[in-house]
Order: sequence, then structure tokens, then C-alpha cells
Amino acid sequence: DIQMTQSPASLSASLGETVTIECRASEDIYNGLAWYQQKPGKSPQLLIYNANSLHTGVPSRFSGSGSGTQYSLKINSLQSEDVASYFCQQYYNYDTFGAGTKLELK
Amino acid sequence: EVKLVESGGGLVQPGRSLKLSCAASGFSFNDYWMGWVRQAPGKGLEWIGEINQDSSTINYTPSLKDKFTISRDNAQNTLYLQMSKLGSEDTAIYYCAVSYDWFAYWGQGTLVTVSS
Repeated sequence: DIQMTQSPASLSASLGETVTIECRASEDIYNGLAWYQQKPGKSPQLLIYNANSLHTGVPSRFSGSGSGTQYSLKINSLQSEDVASYFCQQYYNYDTFGAGTKLELK
Repeated sequence: EVKLVESGGGLVQPGRSLKLSCAASGFSFNDYWMGWVRQAPGKGLEWIGEINQDSSTINYTPSLKDKFTISRDNAQNTLYLQMSKLGSEDTAIYYCAVSYDWFAYWGQGTLVTVSS
């Protein structure tokens, strides 16, 4: 099984700040990685797929990068509506989710 | 508009079975893989499994393979999750989703609580 290690577990940032969340896979997943945003009481929403492709309708302040075993999600110019939990998912070999990052406002 | 509506959740006793449904609309259901993901209260997401368009390929996370069965009825645009031998560890919100490998669209989820 491919394990996904996501960091940090929680994060506090100010409005307008740039935030980075990382996921490390236990083996090469060849860009088979997606990022999701989940707000309290809501279902997850797709942000990024194939490591760096922005899903339809997602603001351009979200971006994904990485390769091999290391991937990151960057949020530029943090907005109040970005307060949420974020999860990575590898789908190269079946599917595994990271444990999540809870993003709060400072 | 893609719409996925899960149903069938509720309170169930340990050891019992339960079948969840996911009604799909707004897209050509029989053209897509579909999947199930669950989330225990306050926890992260866990992939349960997925099914291809004609049900010829069904993949499960290894730890749930003997307990859960995924199926679909393309004529009814409905996805199913049959769960058996339920335990407290199965208490979670269960989501269905359209799978492109990644999960592009999700339902609102249905809560399953396993308790005596």
C-alpha cells in the first residue's frame, strides 16, 4: 500500500499570506495526486488533480506542484473563505488519502 | 449539474448489515467510474473502493474487501454499498463520488452510526 504523509497537521496564517501544505508518498506516484478542500459540515471539493491541474471553477490562487514522492499545495493571498481542512489523495496505485491539514486564521 | 444523493444511513446494531444507495443525475452515469469514501467523526478520509462503468472491475481497500460490496444499476443511475458485519469502527459519513481517478464530484454524504 502507498502511504501518504501530509504536513503540517494544522496551520495558522493571516489574511493575504501564502500558505504551503505538503504531501509525501511512500513511493513514486508519478503525479497521480489530487488535493481537496473540506469546510466544516460539507463534503470535500476537488481543487487540483494530476498534481498541478486546476479543477474547473477553482480560484487561481490555488496551485499544485511536485513530482516523484513530494507534492505541495500552495494558496496565495489567503482569503477568509479558505479556512478549511485540506487533504491530498494518491490514485497511482488504488487510492490513499493524507491525514489532512486544518487551516485556520491567525 | 452533477448531483449525487446518498441515502440509507442511520443507526445500526453491531454485527448487522446495511445497504447504502447513491442516486446520480446531471451526467451520463454509465460512462463513469464511481467510488465510495468514508470519514469517521472528526477524522480524515478513507477510500473504500470503486467500480467501473459495466461493473466488470471493482477495487477495494484491502481492509474492507471482505465486509463491503460495491455495485451499480446503470438503468436506475444508482450506486450501492452493501456493508456487513458492521462494528463501531464503521461509524462514519459515507460519500459517493464520480471517479476520474481523482474524485471530481461528491455527494453530501450519509451518516452511519453503529451502536447498540
